[in-house]
Amino acid sequence: SAVISQKPSRDICQRGTSLTIQCQVDSQVTMMFWYRQQPGQSLTLIATANQGSEATYESGFVIDKFPISRPNLTFSTLTVSNMSPEDSSIYLCSVKVPASGDEQFFGPGTRLTVL
Amino acid sequence: GNSVTQMEGPVTLSEEAFLTINCTYTATGYPSLFWYVQYPGEGLQLLLKATKADDKGSNKGFEATYRKETTSFHLEKGSVQVSDSAVYFCALSDRATSGTYKYIFGTGTRLKVLA
Repeated sequence: SAVISQKPSRDICQRGTSLTIQCQVDSQVTMMFWYRQQPGQSLTLIATANQGSEATYESGFVIDKFPISRPNLTFSTLTVSNMSPEDSSIYLCSVKVPASGDEQFFGPGTRLTVL
Repeated sequence: GNSVTQMEGPVTLSEEAFLTINCTYTATGYPSLFWYVQYPGEGLQLLLKATKADDKGSNKGFEATYRKETTSFHLEKGSVQVSDSAVYFCALSDRATSGTYKYIFGTGTRLKVLA
């Protein structure tokens, strides 16, 4: 298993600004994922962030808007850039550990409100 | 592409009532299927999973059977408790752009259990 923490837990930001969300894991993992959960909707994968390679973005998400860093095997950041109210969501990171098959472990999420 | 369709909520039940939350999926190949639960203010936790047809996942009195013939993975519990109040997500594993596995989530079903 894995225990994941995220910072901040929530934030209220002004449009046009950027916010960086941190994800810390208690063990070394290769695969990390960033998801978005818009109000009343399901979770959508933004990108896969594997250590040692560039993040891979899903359709509809681009690096300029959601730059990701993955400096080591226990840490990652997601930045939400030039925010608009449409970016108001919960952002979650998750990890996959080899011993757990297809199971992913999720952080508590960051609730972002953009005014 | 692959998708998950989940029962609309909210679902309100009295304590000790029987619970069913419907989940159907479309998929090519043989994905693994999951139910995750999100308690208020917390991250997603794996509730149960099934990796192949006819597998039954079970945990904490919850059960779901992987039915390939009906492409379903309905969640059931014989007697719900107030502490089961949460949002439940059905998900399947799929292959992400990066080639790693990602999840496709249903929209989530909010369950409220009244004492």
